[in-house]
Amino acid sequence: EVQLVESGGGLVKPGGSLRLSCTASGFTFSSYSVHWVRQAPGKGLEWVSSISDSSRFMYYADSVKGRFTISRDNSRNSVYLQTNSLSADDTAVYFCAREGGGFDLWGQGTLVTVSS
Amino acid sequence: QSVLTQTPSASGTLGQRVSISCSGSRSNIGRKDVNWYQQLPGTAPKLLIYNNNQRPSGVPDRFSGSKSVTSASLAISGLQSDDEADYFCASWDVSLNNWVFGGGTRLTVL
Repeated sequence: EVQLVESGGGLVKPGGSLRLSCTASGFTFSSYSVHWVRQAPGKGLEWVSSISDSSRFMYYADSVKGRFTISRDNSRNSVYLQTNSLSADDTAVYFCAREGGGFDLWGQGTLVTVSS
Repeated sequence: QSVLTQTPSASGTLGQRVSISCSGSRSNIGRKDVNWYQQLPGTAPKLLIYNNNQRPSGVPDRFSGSKSVTSASLAISGLQSDDEADYFCASWDVSLNNWVFGGGTRLTVL
């Protein structure tokens, strides 16, 4: 089955860190750029970061630049988002998405809650 | 405050045609393609339209997209109850070097 599955979310205290994972199956993962998009409770979509197929290009939203780091391991069909210095504003469901003519495949999301 | 502007809500009756707009600028829609996403309650977004007016396999032809200068529109004809969802536009912004989304339009089917 063609799918993306996120994991690694949870409850973390302000200033803490989490490493989110996105694991792909059913397609040639190494041929696609992958993005992280988040959605705060009751809010819209916010693009967070992206990484190209070979990891040559990485981009970040200003809101996370310097705090989040995206990486990938094509041998494990996985993309990672290391999130540091988390604040309440980072509370959201984090989706990973494949870029193939738009974001054509999404995972189910993983919830990150930042609270003391 | 989203870089792309959408009206927060829209509504229509069964069978009606509705249009959802997305307004941007020369640094995004004016130079790059627009994609549209549908998000049903409690689920992940789904790609509805890509490259302004292309439908992915499996998306009914009741959904169509268009773009003009710095704005884009999503049209839904033959409105069905299943179409009740949030709709988001998105584009690449060449100044920000970011993907940008609209704030979303919640469609209610009356």
